[in-house]
Amino acid sequence: SQTIHQWPATLVQPVGSPLSLECTVEGTSNPNLYWYRQAAGRGLQLLFYSVGIGQISSEVPQNLSASRPQDRQFILSSKKLLLSDSGFYLCAWSPGAGGSNQPQHFGDGTRLSIL
Amino acid sequence: KNEVEQSPQNLTAQEGEFITINCSYSVGISALHWLQQHPGGGIVSLFMLSSGKKKHGRLIATINIQEKHSSLHITASHPRDSAVYICAVPTFNNAGNMLTFGGGTRLMVKP
Repeated sequence: SQTIHQWPATLVQPVGSPLSLECTVEGTSNPNLYWYRQAAGRGLQLLFYSVGIGQISSEVPQNLSASRPQDRQFILSSKKLLLSDSGFYLCAWSPGAGGSNQPQHFGDGTRLSIL
Repeated sequence: KNEVEQSPQNLTAQEGEFITINCSYSVGISALHWLQQHPGGGIVSLFMLSSGKKKHGRLIATINIQEKHSSLHITASHPRDSAVYICAVPTFNNAGNMLTFGGGTRLMVKP
């Protein structure tokens, strides 16, 4: 069966520090991968998605970047965190094959607090 | 871009009540997702439906493609149903199965 792992679960970082959140998927090949952010009291916002290794699309301009060094690994990074980067970050995957309208499966999320 | 509206934003119910959460969207779609976000933040996919009705336990989801509207019903609600319920539709330019999300409905079921 397929599983998605996301870590860490919580993170407290000072302003200006770097960030690296990691997400891995097991039990499937060539998944579509997604990073979402949920700011306090707000809905889910898509940050990045990837349809293959090294292929990253960004939905909103921001202080963050994403990379996909391996088929089932998706990393969210920042060189210098801002206060506005605080929020709940979710990784998700969906089957890459089978056309559109595939279910998305979410990780447990990372709660990031910037001090 | 598809605009997704959910109502109500917040809902408080007594245990046992029948609950309805509504979702409407602006651009025709072929499938709609209902998600449940637990108080700890984790998200679970409840339904993906393209027509008619789906049922899973006490949860029922319906969709009217012509009216661009979907509803999520909970029968015999229980405090453990307390969560945020989110509907989502495929983004118009859906190269990667991207979703556009509604703002969510925060449900609290009191014992």
